[in-house]
Amino acid sequence: QVQLVESGGGVVQPGASLRLSCTASRFTFNTYGMHWVRQAPGKGLEWVAFSRNDGGMEYYVDSVKGRFTISRDNSKSTLYLQMNSLTTEDTAVYYCAKDGSPNDGDGNWSDSWGQGTLVTVSS
Amino acid sequence: DIVMTQSPGSLAVSLGERATINCKSSQSVLHRPNNKDYLAWYQHKAGQPPKLLILWASTRASGVPDRFSGSGSGTDFTLTISNLQAEDVAVYYCQAYYGPPHSFGQGTKLEIK
Repeated sequence: QVQLVESGGGVVQPGASLRLSCTASRFTFNTYGMHWVRQAPGKGLEWVAFSRNDGGMEYYVDSVKGRFTISRDNSKSTLYLQMNSLTTEDTAVYYCAKDGSPNDGDGNWSDSWGQGTLVTVSS
Repeated sequence: DIVMTQSPGSLAVSLGERATINCKSSQSVLHRPNNKDYLAWYQHKAGQPPKLLILWASTRASGVPDRFSGSGSGTDFTLTISNLQAEDVAVYYCQAYYGPPHSFGQGTKLEIK
């Protein structure tokens, strides 16, 4: 069974940076694109970013473009989300999720999710 | 960008009855070359990660009970939960994956009446 474990969340001040990690196991990581999805307190799910299986293409929601960078190290089966210039609006639980279709460029549904890591941006 | 709108925002249904959740996309998610609708449904219970229920608008994900069914095409979609069980209490989301961004609807909270 697919396992995804997020880490790196915490409490930071506005303007700070944070890097989230997602360690994957029990599937061929370099075959699948990966997503980051977040949920702010009391709000719904928001798709944040996608990385193609080879790391050669990335997509972002407009609200994080230029501030967040998704990346991956296929040799370590690990997905990252570098978050810069954080604002209070970025406070959320961040989930990494495995794409449902192998070797499929632009991303699809997410068929496996981690438990999430909480990021709190507060002064 | 595609905007997904769900209705209702919340609903309460009696055990054993049927729950119907609607999802409307601001533009068609039907890909004509393969005649597939790029629409998924998820169940999100408190304290747990979301769970995939439906892909391609009507295909149940592995292990999902046949009480859950998806229908619709183009811009209008429905998730139907038949014979509602207590464990179905959750927030349900639709998601379009017709090119990034892969927008979610705002969610529908399902409770037991």
